[in-house]
Amino acid sequence: KNEVEQSPQNLTAQEGEFITINCSYSVGISALHWLQQHPGGGIVSLFMLSSGKKKHGRLIATINIQEKHSSLHITASHPRDSAVYICAVYPHFGNEKLTFGTGTRLTIIP
Amino acid sequence: NAGVTQTPKFRILKIGQSMTLQCTQDMNHNYMYWYRQDPGMGLKLIYYSVGAGITDKGEVPNGYNVSRSTTEDFPLRLELAAPSQTSVYFCASSPDRKNQPQHFGDGTRLSIL
Repeated sequence: KNEVEQSPQNLTAQEGEFITINCSYSVGISALHWLQQHPGGGIVSLFMLSSGKKKHGRLIATINIQEKHSSLHITASHPRDSAVYICAVYPHFGNEKLTFGTGTRLTIIP
Repeated sequence: NAGVTQTPKFRILKIGQSMTLQCTQDMNHNYMYWYRQDPGMGLKLIYYSVGAGITDKGEVPNGYNVSRSTTEDFPLRLELAAPSQTSVYFCASSPDRKNQPQHFGDGTRLSIL
């Protein structure tokens, strides 16, 4: 079992829909990182959070440390939001590394 | 501001050949990382560095070597290319590991035939 699990693995939605992508982790963490990867493209950092909620434009990220769970929400989704969304965590203890989920592939249909 | 720059973007190697993937960052970040991304899998850490002259193994270091002679550069060396090393390679950097986002390069797509 991976230390970081994302759901769903694939998500297809109509333009304008509210999108939720979930991330659950099994270790104690100091921070959680949401990243975006467009097809054939590089990886861009969206959020780094260790508590509460952060908002940037139409994207909202929340984290519940006690439940070891984070969600990424996209409001008024648009075809340009189509990408792979990756959750990664900095564990409290151990090596100096991020542990990554396998990603959620989001496709927004016009 | 260029950020993290990786070269080349694409490369095809024959089994047994060697090559170096270049990574340079201009943000004066101490921490640098090399990852590989295989289809359907999460990013896996190959090697990382917390500063010039210091490197350490990640999860999947076998078949690779790194060096960090300067803060800016963190090259990844494949000595004897094998088909299992076919992957997309990403370099990243961050000021330090404590709650800082990592900045990624655009990746190098490597095929070993």
